[in-house]
Amino acid sequence: GAGVSQSPSNKVTEKGKDVELRCDPISGHTALYWYRQRLGQGLEFLIYFQGNSAPDKSGLPSDRFSAERTGESVSTLTIQRTQQEDSAVYLCASSSLGTIGSYEQYFGPGTRLTVT
Amino acid sequence: AQTVTQSQPEMSVQEAETVTLSCTYDTSESDYYLFWYKQPPSRQMILVIRQEAYKQQNATENRFSVNFQKAAKSFSLKISDSQLGDAAMYFCAYRSAKGGTSYGKLTFGQGTILTVHP
Repeated sequence: GAGVSQSPSNKVTEKGKDVELRCDPISGHTALYWYRQRLGQGLEFLIYFQGNSAPDKSGLPSDRFSAERTGESVSTLTIQRTQQEDSAVYLCASSSLGTIGSYEQYFGPGTRLTVT
Repeated sequence: AQTVTQSQPEMSVQEAETVTLSCTYDTSESDYYLFWYKQPPSRQMILVIRQEAYKQQNATENRFSVNFQKAAKSFSLKISDSQLGDAAMYFCAYRSAKGGTSYGKLTFGQGTILTVHP
């Protein structure tokens, strides 16, 4: 089946504008994760959704960042009043979680955000 | 909190030779999972290999194998018979095996850029 998809692939925005990044997980995957990857760096966890449970927002860097997920489908990451330090690749991943196990996270191709 | 450290920002290897990428981690947990991911220029993260901490046997996947030293908290990746297609950024990652609100969250190292010379 189809993998994780993200849109847009690239986004250039002016400082101070709001942006929305979209993630379509693999069908049937209950867990969805957002990560941020700054240039030449590792991935930083942002937020985690699991089914209908309250999301884990512990990685969000500021209140300008928010994310929503409708059921077990699409998720949107919103960054308000973008700053230059928000420039990064934003990666989404999904996985199937039932009983505890080493379920693999499948990553999307990411959205490269450039704030000018 | 767990941390993952990759001390080699860049490594290079000749085609057909063997290279080892290093990774250390810090955790107070006894049960967890460790991963190596490959990220080519396309940005797509690809799982290379996975190790369960409760298993003493080192994981292998074709040309890829790990040296997992639990007491030393070390998890290195060996790539044998290197190929041009192995060139990429490689990330080591940790995941707790405990349940809870952050279940499944991956903690990544900073990455190692691997160059393969023909």
